[in-house]
Amino acid sequence: NAGVMQNPRHLVRRRGQEARLRCSPMKGHSHVYWYRQLPEEGLKFMVYLQKENIIDESGMPKERFSAEFPKEGPSILRIQQVVRGDSAAYFCASSPAAGGSYEQYFGPGTRLTVT
Amino acid sequence: AQTVTQSQPEMSVQEAETVTLSCTYDTSENNYYLFWYKQPPSRQMILVIRQEAYKQQNATENRFSVNFQKAAKSFSLKISDSQLGDTAMYFCAFLRPTGTALIFGKGTTLSVSS
Repeated sequence: NAGVMQNPRHLVRRRGQEARLRCSPMKGHSHVYWYRQLPEEGLKFMVYLQKENIIDESGMPKERFSAEFPKEGPSILRIQQVVRGDSAAYFCASSPAAGGSYEQYFGPGTRLTVT
Repeated sequence: AQTVTQSQPEMSVQEAETVTLSCTYDTSENNYYLFWYKQPPSRQMILVIRQEAYKQQNATENRFSVNFQKAAKSFSLKISDSQLGDTAMYFCAFLRPTGTALIFGKGTTLSVSS
């Protein structure tokens, strides 16, 4: 059973370009979470989605960032007009349901570098 | 708001020794979940151990065990018989029972040497 898949693993973008990060949850998981890890920091929650719905986006920056989890296909985290401060590792996690009883399984992360 | 504090940025230990990583947290909730995650150089986040606050008994997973002190809001991780493969960054995390956002500490870098 494949784990959480993220691609690309590494992404380099110039300032002002768009970054698209993809996440395929584990089979049978319909809950997806995105976290960001800045250098030398812990992970910070960004957004929680279920199929076709954003449930909690309290950690998302108000501008330039968006996320979706369509009925078919992977979840996408989109960053428009990237700036140097967006350079970070972005992790996706999935779970079969929400709440503390259910482990969040993490993907390997996408390392975004903005030049 | 909940916060998680890891006061040891770095620790080192010799193979076969025991090491304890500290974590404190702040919450007004009575029930919640606590986790320790390991992040090796590959950067993959791996769940090491979890504790449910309403359970008195400390969780144990092979060489890993926790000392959960609810009144003190402390949740330390003990690694026994340390191995080279334990070298990693370790994160303590908190989750409300109906919550979905894990709240992480800043991590402790553990180095195990031979």
